[in-house]
Amino acid sequence: QSALTQPASVSGSPGQSITISCTGTSSDVGSYNRVSWYQQPPGKAPKLIIYDVTKRPSGVSNRFSGSKSGNTASLTISGLQAEDEADYYCNSFTRTYTLIFGGGTRLTVL
Amino acid sequence: EVQLLESGGGLVQPGGSLRLSCAASGFTFRSYAMSWLRQPPGMGLEWVSGITGSGSTTFYSDSVKGRFTISRDNSKNMLYLQMDNLRAEDTALYYCAKDSGTYSLSYFDPWGQGTLVTVSS
Repeated sequence: QSALTQPASVSGSPGQSITISCTGTSSDVGSYNRVSWYQQPPGKAPKLIIYDVTKRPSGVSNRFSGSKSGNTASLTISGLQAEDEADYYCNSFTRTYTLIFGGGTRLTVL
Repeated sequence: EVQLLESGGGLVQPGGSLRLSCAASGFTFRSYAMSWLRQPPGMGLEWVSGITGSGSTTFYSDSVKGRFTISRDNSKNMLYLQMDNLRAEDTALYYCAKDSGTYSLSYFDPWGQGTLVTVSS
């Protein structure tokens, strides 16, 4: 099964908002609300920032939000800060009882 | 505080075997499904395998099915990954991670720090 499709890179200036898309198929993103997003700073382990499409774990800033339309999920980061610079990965449950990740998006804060 | 500590990584020749371990603490281990995930150097994340809280059901990605075996010992709060017939493309940092519920392939929080597996002659 192919990976979910994410843009390789996005960038924004401090204070701006950016959105990262994650496109799958009707066999994964389009059929299940088990979509999650992870933030991975360089050299560190991934950290959960969004689960079940729209939910934020305790302690995660409300500047992070998630949504889904059809086969595409999205992560929006508002009020960009330098500390947001990291790689971001989406993940979805699939109908074959596996999990699939996106290829990852490198966020650069200009 | 939930803690996950992986061990067992190292250098192994193609066709060889390795067993990874993950020591869990800070939560009721038997109540949560667990997974192994990996990240090749400089590349993205890949889910490898998952196991329910009781250990009765296991799940595998197509890339490792038939070669890797996930297991757990709830009496010791330990998760394992037996890796056989290793290939160069299995070279990666391997993470263990806590799932959201007893029987779920859902989201992972937290992740361990990883153990590096290198397959090379």
